[in-house]
Amino acid sequence: AQKVTQAQTEISVVEKEDVTLDCVYETRDTTYYLFWYKQPPSGELVFLIRRNSFDEQNEISGRYSWNFQKSTSSFNFTITASQVVDSAVYFCALENTNAGKSTFGDGTTLTVKP
Amino acid sequence: GAVVSQHPSRVICKSGTSVKIECRSLDFQATTMFWYRQFPKQSLMLMATSNEGSKATYEQGVEKDKFLINHASLTLSTLTVTSAHPEDSSFYICSATGARSYGYTFGSGTRLTVV
Repeated sequence: AQKVTQAQTEISVVEKEDVTLDCVYETRDTTYYLFWYKQPPSGELVFLIRRNSFDEQNEISGRYSWNFQKSTSSFNFTITASQVVDSAVYFCALENTNAGKSTFGDGTTLTVKP
Repeated sequence: GAVVSQHPSRVICKSGTSVKIECRSLDFQATTMFWYRQFPKQSLMLMATSNEGSKATYEQGVEKDKFLINHASLTLSTLTVTSAHPEDSSFYICSATGARSYGYTFGSGTRLTVV
């Protein structure tokens, strides 16, 4: 069985602060994908990143960065210099490459105050 | 990039009626589509997996007669909520993947309200 845990239900920061969203996963598969999605108040899911289980390189994209640590089964997401527009629910997800199904965490609601 | 269009974005229907939601891949052939349901302030729960030309595979606890899924072509899957009741009110979202798409692309979701 697969499981994704996002322990932080809600996070509130002030604009320009850095914030890290935690994601811990469980799977018996040796090959899998990890995702982060952003869901703004409008509801649509915005794809942020996909990481293959064989690729543990950290990634940076603008103010976003991801830290994948297979040893601790974590795939954390950091927003640097947060902005009000970053306010949203963020989901971490794990995909079984054989079945193709994604298991989502419960999401972390990020509120960035001006 | 891969685009998935989902319609309608919002629908209000009377209890007992049926509602059809469409999910279209606009620029790629979606061999597999997934349908999710999201209750307010909760995570996405997979309802079913739909492969083109074959019957959908439903997750445990999802009534296949209640939520009819059709994936008749490589660009279109539909979810029909039959005899809708207020407890079916939710946010429904589809995702699609295909040979030329990168990962999974989600539609913009449909907010269903049954009154």
